[in-house]
Amino acid sequence: AQSVTQLGSHVSVSEGALVLLRCNYSSSVPPYLFWYVQYPNQGLQLLLKYTTGATLVKGINGFEAEFKKSETSFHLTKPSAHMSDAAEYFCAVRKSGGSYIPTFGRGTSLIVHP
Amino acid sequence: NAGVTQTPKFQVLKTGQSMTLQCAQDMNHNSMYWYRQDPGMGLRLIYYSASEGTTDKGEVPNGYNVSRLNKREFSLRLESAAPSQTSVYFCASSALGRTNTGELFFGEGSRLTVL
Repeated sequence: AQSVTQLGSHVSVSEGALVLLRCNYSSSVPPYLFWYVQYPNQGLQLLLKYTTGATLVKGINGFEAEFKKSETSFHLTKPSAHMSDAAEYFCAVRKSGGSYIPTFGRGTSLIVHP
Repeated sequence: NAGVTQTPKFQVLKTGQSMTLQCAQDMNHNSMYWYRQDPGMGLRLIYYSASEGTTDKGEVPNGYNVSRLNKREFSLRLESAAPSQTSVYFCASSALGRTNTGELFFGEGSRLTVL
């Protein structure tokens, strides 16, 4: 079985500060990893994904994430937070070549203070 | 680009009433999903359809039924609504296959309140 843990249901940063949202996963086979973002009153949209190859993945709006197999982590970062980054962020995992059902974390709400 | 379209966006029901949430995608995706989102619970899978003609239960199927009408459309039905079904419902679709990574494309959600 696969699972996803997002550490911290809420993360608060000041505008211009580093954003770090944590995601750890468990999977019995090499995973596909995803970060989704949900802005208020909207559906989720893909922020970035890791499949194979380069472990540092760049996404939209200046976000990036690094796949660390030894730590079973896929943390999301952004060097400088912007007010518009305030949203809910979800990490998800899917087994490569296996089940087509992704497993989602419970989400982390990013709060950005002026 | 419509993507995934859900209707209605908002609905208020009384306990015991029935209703159907409609979902359609125009991306020629094989798989479609229904999730519910509740505060602190993240996304929970209700039902999914791997391909046209198949449907399977997810994590929280009780009280719901689904129909994969054709490749484009996947509806969710509440036969007898209960207050516990007050939630935001999301439909999603994905292209699956050996060469696809299977990321999901979501609709904008349907906000359901059961009184």
